[in-house]
Amino acid sequence: QVQLKQWGAGLLKPSETLSLTCAVYGGSFIDYHWSWIRQPPGKGLEWIGEIYHTGTTDYNPSLKSRVTISVDTSKKQFSLNLNSVTAADTALYYCARGGGKSSLRYWGQGTLVTVSS
Amino acid sequence: DIVMTQSPDSLAVSLGERATINCKSSQSVLYSSNDKNYVGWYQQKPGQPPKLVIYWASNRESGVPDRFSGSGSGTDFTLTISSLQAEDVALYYCQQYYSSPWTFGQGTRVEIK
Repeated sequence: QVQLKQWGAGLLKPSETLSLTCAVYGGSFIDYHWSWIRQPPGKGLEWIGEIYHTGTTDYNPSLKSRVTISVDTSKKQFSLNLNSVTAADTALYYCARGGGKSSLRYWGQGTLVTVSS
Repeated sequence: DIVMTQSPDSLAVSLGERATINCKSSQSVLYSSNDKNYVGWYQQKPGQPPKLVIYWASNRESGVPDRFSGSGSGTDFTLTISSLQAEDVALYYCQQYYSSPWTFGQGTRVEIK
């Protein structure tokens, strides 16, 4: 059974860097792409970007200048960094298995990140 | 970017009745080489992450009740709940994974009438 568990700081000040990590339990890590998705309060879903175990990444152009996704295959973990955050980055952030032309089959529990001065 | 537009934004259906959600993509998401439509449907209940219910437009995810079905091809897709149950109250999103950036519809809220 595949499980994704994520963690990271939940409260940031404007201009700081958002950092989240997602650990994968069960199943193959190298056969899939791994994505980050966010959902502002009361709003819809936005795909942030993805990574493959080789380190190959793909980012949403809307966030590309501020996003870095990295991977640690030995730990079956991948991470999201989003720099220069503003209140507009306040959202529930999810990690998920999928992307790379596949559906998002497994999701983490979500991390609420609030940006406030 | 491919824009996914869902309709309606919300609908209220009586228990046991049919619920139908539409999703239209701004360009075709059908790959002619494999005849697959790169569309998924997700169900999201309050306080929970989205859950995949349909992939490749019409394939039901394992464990999803057979009252859920997906159809459509090219640019027009439908999620149907044949007999609405109380546990189906949720937000539903379509998503295309044909062309990056992968994009979602705005969501449709399904409620009990």
